[in-house]
Amino acid sequence: AQSVTQPDIHITVSEGASLELRCNYSYGATPYLFWYVQSPGQGLQLLLKYFSGDTLVQGIKGFEAEFKRSQSSFNLRKPSVHWSDAAEYFCAVGSGGSYIPTFGRGTSLIVHP
Amino acid sequence: DAGVIQSPRHEVTEMGQEVTLRCKPISGHDYLFWYRQTMMRGLELLIYFNNNVPIDDSGMPEDRFSAKMPNASFSTLKIQPSEPRDSAVYFCASSGTGYNTDTQYFGPGTRLTVL
Repeated sequence: AQSVTQPDIHITVSEGASLELRCNYSYGATPYLFWYVQSPGQGLQLLLKYFSGDTLVQGIKGFEAEFKRSQSSFNLRKPSVHWSDAAEYFCAVGSGGSYIPTFGRGTSLIVHP
Repeated sequence: DAGVIQSPRHEVTEMGQEVTLRCKPISGHDYLFWYRQTMMRGLELLIYFNNNVPIDDSGMPEDRFSAKMPNASFSTLKIQPSEPRDSAVYFCASSGTGYNTDTQYFGPGTRLTVL
């Protein structure tokens, strides 16, 4: 069975600082990987996804993520955080053969001015 | 495209009352999902449909919960009778076919409060 671990429940950064949110997955084959963002009072919005090909994926809002098979990781990065990035971030893994991704517990990003 | 539409956005009810949550998926999407989100348990998949047929309802917590999808453009999640522990945000999501089947599009959610 597939699973996702987001080891950080909360992350606090200063505005303008760089950001990295961690995601580790468990799946036997090549996974489908996703990052979603949930702003307060909103539903989840897809930031980016990896299905195959280039392991560095660019997403919306200046985010990127890198798939590292050897580390079973798909960490999300942003070079300079804006106050509007404060939100909950969810990593998810799908198997391709299943249409049901498994979501992590989420990481809450707090941005200090 | 209007995205996934959910109604109501907020629902406050008293214990024992029936609650019905509604969802309109994105046109052309074959899959529809109902999730529940709480602080304690995070995001939980309750049930999902493929081509209007329920495929897996193993996440539905109790018989008090039921879901239907009478056509491709409408689904309901019903709780009867409701209990305070059902208080949560309920999300509906849909996904398409082919290459992007795994990508889910979420509605804004219904915040349910059971007093």
